[in-house]
Amino acid sequence: AQSVTQLGSHVSVSEGALVLLRCNYSSSVPPYLFWYVQYPNQGLQLLLKYTSAATLVKGINGFEAEFKKSETSFHLTKPSAHMSDAAEYFCAVSDRNTGNQFYFGTGTSLTVIP
Amino acid sequence: DTGVSQNPRHKITKRGQNVTFRCDPISEHNRLYWYRQTLGQGPEFLTYFQNEAQLEKSRLLSDRFSAERPKGSFSTLEIQRTEQGDSAMYLCASSFYLLAGGRRVPYEQYFGPGTRLTVT
Repeated sequence: AQSVTQLGSHVSVSEGALVLLRCNYSSSVPPYLFWYVQYPNQGLQLLLKYTSAATLVKGINGFEAEFKKSETSFHLTKPSAHMSDAAEYFCAVSDRNTGNQFYFGTGTSLTVIP
Repeated sequence: DTGVSQNPRHKITKRGQNVTFRCDPISEHNRLYWYRQTLGQGPEFLTYFQNEAQLEKSRLLSDRFSAERPKGSFSTLEIQRTEQGDSAMYLCASSFYLLAGGRRVPYEQYFGPGTRLTVT
């Protein structure tokens, strides 16, 4: 089965600083990968997705992620954090052969310090 | 496109009672998923439908849980004889699934706001 590991359940950055949220997947075949954001008491919103086109994927709100097969990673970055980025971020994986359920990581809570 | 909607948004029930949640997906989406999310965790897959067919169920879905999607549109998730351990956020998502050129292409899932269940 597919799985993802998100290193760091809590990340704090200063406003204007680089945001780096880590995600590693386990799969012998590169899967489809997604990043979602969740604000308190809301559902999940898609930030970006990797489905085997360009390895550097740009998403909404200035976020981007790079797929690195050699490192089995799909880390999420943003050059300059904004207060509104404070939220829970989830990495998810889907098997490209079956395309069925998504498997989510345990999430990373991002705090932005003014 | 009004997005995925879920009702009710909050439900408080006593242990042993039955509850039913409803999910209305994005109209053109043929797949509908149910997830459960507990505090501090990511969503855990429960089951999914392609049109009206329930194609997969997680072992998390005990026999007290049942889901339906009778006409391939909205779906309901029922929990019978609720237990305190059922307290969680129940999320619904929908997607458009396409078999393209022999390869399955899973489009991204769009999530509803969830139903928060509290069992007292």
